[in-house]
Amino acid sequence: DTEVTQTPKHLVMGMTNKKSLKCEQHMGHRAMYWYKQKAKKPPELMFVYSYEKLSINESVPSRFSPECPNSSLLNLHLHALQPEDSALYLCASSQISGADEQFFGPGTRLTVL
Amino acid sequence: GQSLEQPSEVTAVEGAIVQINCTYQTSGFYGLSWYQQHDGGAPTFLSYNALDGLEETGRFSSFLSRSDSYGYLLLQELQMKDSASYFCAVREDNTDKLIFGTGTRLQVFP
Repeated sequence: DTEVTQTPKHLVMGMTNKKSLKCEQHMGHRAMYWYKQKAKKPPELMFVYSYEKLSINESVPSRFSPECPNSSLLNLHLHALQPEDSALYLCASSQISGADEQFFGPGTRLTVL
Repeated sequence: GQSLEQPSEVTAVEGAIVQINCTYQTSGFYGLSWYQQHDGGAPTFLSYNALDGLEETGRFSSFLSRSDSYGYLLLQELQMKDSASYFCAVREDNTDKLIFGTGTRLQVFP
């Protein structure tokens, strides 16, 4: 299994809602990442987990809260988002943290109203 | 800091050859990666160059010149399905962070 899965594919939420994005991989990778991507822009790193511990937080606002329950799962909890947070949220994994080859999931298209 | 510059758009016809350039400025350098992303899809890893020279993988080749802080992705025998965005990427010095270039949108016409 060389796939990273993400749910949901699409999410529309209000600014007062709480929602979660989920990511799963079964490749035995020990590093997992959250990226944010705006239209026609490159992916921007948000968080890195290495061996289930948060190793990088790119000064992301606290309304985004990551969680890594185990080595296969990665969640991103969303609360009180702003319309400018609307974007494609990509999850990725790699064998180890810092690897140049990362495997990306299809993303969650988030719209904040 | 790191910066990677790419042309914003390249167009070509089916069967042609196209080169997508990437120039980078980094405080430390480990190697240059290339990713492909179709509209609405996930970025997919294409290649990685740590040393100078050309690496070939099927129709795609990637080149690196460390002395010139420059690399390129060469796509041969273009197909319609190659229409996508292409990103070069480098690892930030002393971190596990991957920095992506500005991205090049390739449009292949029949």
